[in-house]
Amino acid sequence: AQKITQTQPGMFVQEKEAVTLDCTYDTSDPSYGLFWYKQPSSGEMIFLIYQGSYDQQNATEGRYSLNFQKARKSANLVISASQLGDSAMYFCAMREGGTGGFKTIFGAGTRLFVKA
Amino acid sequence: DTAVSQTPKYLVTQMGNDKSIKCEQNLGHDTMYWYKQDSKKFLKIMFSYNNKELIINETVPNRFSPKSPDKAHLNLHINSLELGDSAVYFCASSQPSKGFVYGYTFGSGTRLTVV
Repeated sequence: AQKITQTQPGMFVQEKEAVTLDCTYDTSDPSYGLFWYKQPSSGEMIFLIYQGSYDQQNATEGRYSLNFQKARKSANLVISASQLGDSAMYFCAMREGGTGGFKTIFGAGTRLFVKA
Repeated sequence: DTAVSQTPKYLVTQMGNDKSIKCEQNLGHDTMYWYKQDSKKFLKIMFSYNNKELIINETVPNRFSPKSPDKAHLNLHINSLELGDSAVYFCASSQPSKGFVYGYTFGSGTRLTVV
């Protein structure tokens, strides 16, 4: 069963504006971690931000923040002040605790286009 | 120094051939992974090794055989290559004992094309 859902195949944003990339997840494990990765056109996978299921505050890393709504099982990525270099594929991912701790599953990705 | 290095970066081969992809990490991580990214960019885990022990073996054809000679290396050997094996294969590493917060460190990927 699919556990990570990214409903936006593609998104456009104007340079310098903020954009939200959606992610919902499904798990019955109380301990889990949520991640966002960026994949530019060059192909490498870059870790952006992490949110733990027990974290009380939303994670932030520079211009990236994770809007974590546990009851709704959503973990949206917010990019503030978009830059042309933000154009890339963005993947939401989840790692469950316990015996699933060695496996991270990925959503289908959202391609972000930043317009000048 | 590259943290997770994969070789080769590109691999073009004919159907039926056998090929290997090598991966090495110098981060001191205990756990290494192989992921396959298909033409639609979907990433799917194939294998996970922790301290040279196979932890995860997803539904992958027997033609794929991982080998971990030590915890810094995880190689992937593929027998009797098929057209459907064409994809980008990513190696990654992590240190689960430090918790989730650091995420994975990925290699740059190996683009395999079977003709």
